[in-house]
Parts: sequence; structure tokens; C-alpha cells
Amino acid sequence: EAEVAQSPRYKITEKSQAVAFWCDPISGHATLYWYRQILGQGPELLVQFQDESVVDDSQLPKDRFSAERLKGVDSTLKIQPAELGDSAMYLCASSLSRGSSYTFGSGTRLTVV
Amino acid sequence: KQEVTQIPAALSVPEGENLVLNCSFTDSAIYNLQWFRQDPGKGLTSLLLIQSSQREQTSGRLNASLDKSSGRSTLYIAASQPGDSATYLCAALSTHSGGYQKVTFGIGTKLQVIP
Repeated sequence: EAEVAQSPRYKITEKSQAVAFWCDPISGHATLYWYRQILGQGPELLVQFQDESVVDDSQLPKDRFSAERLKGVDSTLKIQPAELGDSAMYLCASSLSRGSSYTFGSGTRLTVV
Repeated sequence: KQEVTQIPAALSVPEGENLVLNCSFTDSAIYNLQWFRQDPGKGLTSLLLIQSSQREQTSGRLNASLDKSSGRSTLYIAASQPGDSATYLCAALSTHSGGYQKVTFGIGTKLQVIP
């Protein structure tokens, strides 16, 4: 069964350092989402891509977060500089088209110390 | 702005019981509603997807219903097992004011099935 791949699985970084996460969606899925999930809460959308274009980044803290999907396939989410409050699970998801099911990756657990 | 609420926040039941998890959403103009399961420290696993034109979907011991007019969905789990213990989240796909689609999640219901 096709999966959304994410790496790394876990990341510990010091405050003020840069950190990057990678996501490879299911082949052919045009829509890609990055979510942040703080412990005990539901996932919150950070950025949504349609192919290589950003269609929603209204909740992305743009002073420190950036995301790209240059060729419309895999994507990278970067945080620079990391803050203690960024500690969370970062989830990537993809879907084939509007109205279709979303498939999530296993996530990256970030701890900022 | 779409808001999704899940009640209860936590639920503990003895093994074998049938149970219902509730999800409500404020904007009834949704494309679909999806139920997910999340084990501690893990990603989300899709359980059931209900399109806006559908009333329910079934998979094994799981049955999800959708009532758009009242802004509600329920997930019914029959004959619960300890392996069902997890957090269950619902997510509504609707159109954002900018014209694109947006998925809004509830906080989830943490289920514990006691052997």
C-alpha cells in the first residue's frame, strides 16, 4: 500500500538552531499538507500545496517557518530559528484530488531544548 | 470559519461494549468528513471517509454517519476491543473563503477499552 514518507522520525534541536523536515507524498497526489500537532490537541494546518503552488499558508509563522515543493512532488518544511514552543509533531499528508481521502505520514517528532 | 468539536474528550469502556463518538461542525457546506485513528506518538490512520452526498460508511466493526443539516457525524464502534484504544479524530473538508479547500480537525476523543 502506498505511503507518505517523512523524515526524520525524531529530531532534537537546540533553541535558535535551524531544523528541516522532509515529506514525499504518494505518487500522483497533487495536494500536500503540512500540519503541526501539539500534544493533546488536533492537527493544525501550517501550509497547503496544490502541485508546486502554495494555496494556503495563513497559519504559517512566516518569520521563522518556510516551506517549498519545488517540483510539485516532495516537500521540505524549515524552521529557523527554532523556539521552545515549536516542540510538536509535524505531520505531512497528501490527497489525490478534491474530495478524496487524505493519507498521513508517520510524522516527525520535534523537541526543542 | 469552520470549527470542529468532538465530545467526549475522553472515554473509558469495558471490553465488548458498543460505543459512539461524536463530532460536530459549524459550517455544513462540507465536501467530506473523515475519521482518523491516532496511536500515541504516531501519525494518523484513516478509518472512514464520508462524502457529502453520503449518509454513512462502514468498515468492519466501524460505522460512521453524517448528517450535514445538523452538522454532526458519529463514529460507532461495535464490540470494542483493547486494541481499539487510541485517539479518534474527525476532520471536515470545506471550502475556504479564498476558494481553496481546507481540512479542519477536532481535538479528538481519547478512547480506552479496559480488558
